[in-house]
Amino acid sequence: GAVVSQHPSRVICKSGTSVKIECRSLDFQATTMFWYRQFPKQSLMLMATSNEGSKATYEQGVEKDKFLINHASLTLSTLTVTSAHPEDSSFYICSAREFSGTQETQYFGPGTRLLVL
Amino acid sequence: RKEVEQDPGPFNVPEGATVAFNCTYSNSASQSFFWYRQDCRKEPKLLMSVYSSGNEDGRFTAQLNRASQYISLLIRDSKLSDSATYLCVVNMFGNDYKLSFGAGTTVTVRA
Repeated sequence: GAVVSQHPSRVICKSGTSVKIECRSLDFQATTMFWYRQFPKQSLMLMATSNEGSKATYEQGVEKDKFLINHASLTLSTLTVTSAHPEDSSFYICSAREFSGTQETQYFGPGTRLLVL
Repeated sequence: RKEVEQDPGPFNVPEGATVAFNCTYSNSASQSFFWYRQDCRKEPKLLMSVYSSGNEDGRFTAQLNRASQYISLLIRDSKLSDSATYLCVVNMFGNDYKLSFGAGTTVTVRA
């Protein structure tokens, strides 16, 4: 299947700092990528839809000024958690959408564990 | 009401047993259905898509009941490696292709 990478895999930072997470589709072009957050023992929650060359679409309750998304190319989307606080500690996962004939599939990156102290 | 609901389990079964569980979805307009598998502290991985007529992939069988708005997953001849959390995922057809995830059903297969 298609491969999606994320970097870094884990990050520990101090409260108030900004953290950038990269999501790359390695062997296909993705006009659309998605960013999710998962807290322990909970389901993945969609944060935003990242569209190449245009502004991201945020889900209700997700602050666009706090979670900055940039999708500058067909293979890269970045999520920046600005002024991170302990409550932002979570597992952040991206996915990229691939079209194959008439079928669409979303492939997930390996996730980034963020711990804000 | 949550968009996708699952019995969290856990389902503890011996090797070789059959285990089955369901998932219900709230939006009758939902078009695509999937089962994903998520291992501890890892990303979800697509296990199988769920088709209207039901489908099978090896030891895994998925069924869709649109009238009652539920999908099911059955695992036959359970292996230790089947231990994971199984996520029910639903998409309401549209250009944005947003997926709604259940919280997962945990399955533990014991020797």
